[in-house]
Amino acid sequence: SQQGEEDPQALSIQEGENATMNCSYKTSINNLQWYRQNSGRGLVHLILIRSNEREKHSGRLRVTLDTSKKSSSLLITASRAADTASYFCAHNRDMRFGAGTRLTVKP
Amino acid sequence: DGGITQSPKYLFRKEGQNVTLSCEQNLNHDAMYWYRQDPGQGLRLIYYSQIVNDFQKGDIAEGYSVSREKKESFPLTVTSAQKNPTAFYLCASRRGQTGSTDTQYFGPGTRLTVL
Repeated sequence: SQQGEEDPQALSIQEGENATMNCSYKTSINNLQWYRQNSGRGLVHLILIRSNEREKHSGRLRVTLDTSKKSSSLLITASRAADTASYFCAHNRDMRFGAGTRLTVKP
Repeated sequence: DGGITQSPKYLFRKEGQNVTLSCEQNLNHDAMYWYRQDPGQGLRLIYYSQIVNDFQKGDIAEGYSVSREKKESFPLTVTSAQKNPTAFYLCASRRGQTGSTDTQYFGPGTRLTVL
């Protein structure tokens, strides 16, 4: 399948630290999206980055895209306990998702 | 108040029974999707529909069926042929079709438990 693969599978940090998670994909893309899922809930869209963009910011979120390496990263700065969730990437070609990164931010 | 609704939130069924999960959207979106999520796992695509009266199988369609008779509705039937149906089911919709920049909007999910 063509889904993105996120790593690490799990990440645990202290409040105030930065969290970085990565996404790799196998096929060419036209854009890539990051989503967040709180436990037992649906996914919520965070940010979209187009294939001709290298970096994008939204509040405390920073996404980068390297099409030559077929990879993207999501950085959450100054993390808060409320950022505890699973994070997924998906590209718009087929909207398939990987296993996600489970982020725990300890207060 | 626009969005996607899934009902019920929790559903219990006996083994061997078919069960239909509801998904309704009032966002006027063309595309709709069904995903399955097992504990601690990612989402797996079951079926998707890009337009009324048309749908395609995803990666794990066996044991499931769908219909798309109306733009706003995309019900999923979990049949008795599905060997391990207990899971969290998520419905999503998107305005545009494959390759668009449109965001997917997700419903709150239905947790199905087969006893």
